[in-house]
Amino acid sequence: SAVISQKPSRDICQRGTSLTIQCQVDSQVTMMFWYRQQPGQSLTLIATANQGSEATYESGFVIDKFPISRPNLTFSTLTVSNMSPEDSSIYLCSVFDVMNTEAFFGQGTRLTVV
Amino acid sequence: SQQGEEDPQALSIQEGENATMNCSYKTSINNLQWYRQNSGRGLVHLILIRSNEREKHSGRLRVTLDTSKKSSSLLITASRAADTASYFCATGSSGGFKTIFGAGTRLFVKA
Repeated sequence: SAVISQKPSRDICQRGTSLTIQCQVDSQVTMMFWYRQQPGQSLTLIATANQGSEATYESGFVIDKFPISRPNLTFSTLTVSNMSPEDSSIYLCSVFDVMNTEAFFGQGTRLTVV
Repeated sequence: SQQGEEDPQALSIQEGENATMNCSYKTSINNLQWYRQNSGRGLVHLILIRSNEREKHSGRLRVTLDTSKKSSSLLITASRAADTASYFCATGSSGGFKTIFGAGTRLFVKA
């Protein structure tokens, strides 16, 4: 299994600003992902964070709004740019254990944009 | 995008009753996982069932998988008030590494 730490756990931000969320894993993992969970909704995949190359975004998500870094196999960041109240959500980091074909999730970052 | 549909969307039962939640999905999968999420908190991984398995048990949980119908069910027996939460199914696709979530079922267990 993998232990995932996310920072910050929660934040309240002003509209128009940006927030960078960090995800640290306790072991090297190939596959890392970022999800968004809007209030009362399920989790939606934002993008796959690729080490050494640009992230792969799902339909409806773009790099300008959600830039992602993946400098090594244990760390990734997601930035929520130019925030609006509609960006208020829980953002979760996830890793995929290829050996056991199982996904693990961080505790999430609860973002409120005012 | 979301892979699956879950039903019911919401379920309200009395403590001690059984709760059954269903999940359908669209594409071929490698595995299917069920998660619980208490209000506003992190995901708790409940159980994983692989595509070559038909049924799996863990404590009061029973999961079935029917790949021919592209569906799964989660049964919680002898429910407790503490089981009140949202339950999500999530699929791992064949040949891929993404985990895609269903819409979820909100379970209310009344004491």
